[in-house]
Amino acid sequence: DAGVIQSPRHEVTEMGQEVTLRCKPISGHDYLFWYRQTMMRGLELLIYFNNNVPIDDSGMPEDRFSAKMPNASFSTLKIQPSEPRDSAVYFCASSTSSGRLETQYFGPGTRLLVL
Amino acid sequence: AQTVTQSQPEMSVQEAETVTLSCTYDTSESDYYLFWYKQPPSRQMILVIRQEAYKQQNATENRFSVNFQKAAKSFSLKISDSQLGDAAMYFCAYRSNQAGTALIFGKGTTLSVSS
Repeated sequence: DAGVIQSPRHEVTEMGQEVTLRCKPISGHDYLFWYRQTMMRGLELLIYFNNNVPIDDSGMPEDRFSAKMPNASFSTLKIQPSEPRDSAVYFCASSTSSGRLETQYFGPGTRLLVL
Repeated sequence: AQTVTQSQPEMSVQEAETVTLSCTYDTSESDYYLFWYKQPPSRQMILVIRQEAYKQQNATENRFSVNFQKAAKSFSLKISDSQLGDAAMYFCAYRSNQAGTALIFGKGTTLSVSS
């Protein structure tokens, strides 16, 4: 199993530019989560999907952030326009609801720097 | 709302020694899951160990074990025979029993291992 795949691994962009982060969950997993990690706020949930449908987006900071999951094997997190305070590590994680103990498996993260 | 507290920002241990990382949480739920994740300098989030709240027996994974005290809402991680590769940030996380809910993380404890 390839695990959760994220791209790009690193992204450096200038303020005002659009940024798109990508995630491929583990095959067969029906939940997909986007987390953000910063020094100030630690790890926090942005949004999660179940069977490609957004369930909870209360953690999305503002309208500049949007996430989609067009199919079971792909999700994107878009920031438009980007701002320096968006600099963080963005993690995608997936899990399956089959079985009692579902564990979230994380991708390697995308380190975003907005100048 | 549930919260997770890790009161030790930093810990240190010598190789081959044992170290315990503390975690407390607050919840009104009776059924939930608890996790310890390891984050090495690569930033990858790696699952170390997990515990189901309804199980009295403490989970063990090789050199890693937990002390789960449900009444005290405490979930500490013990690392035995510490190795240089154990150096990382460790996060305690809580998840509700409801399927697909997000993880709630503590702020993390940075563990350094000296030879």
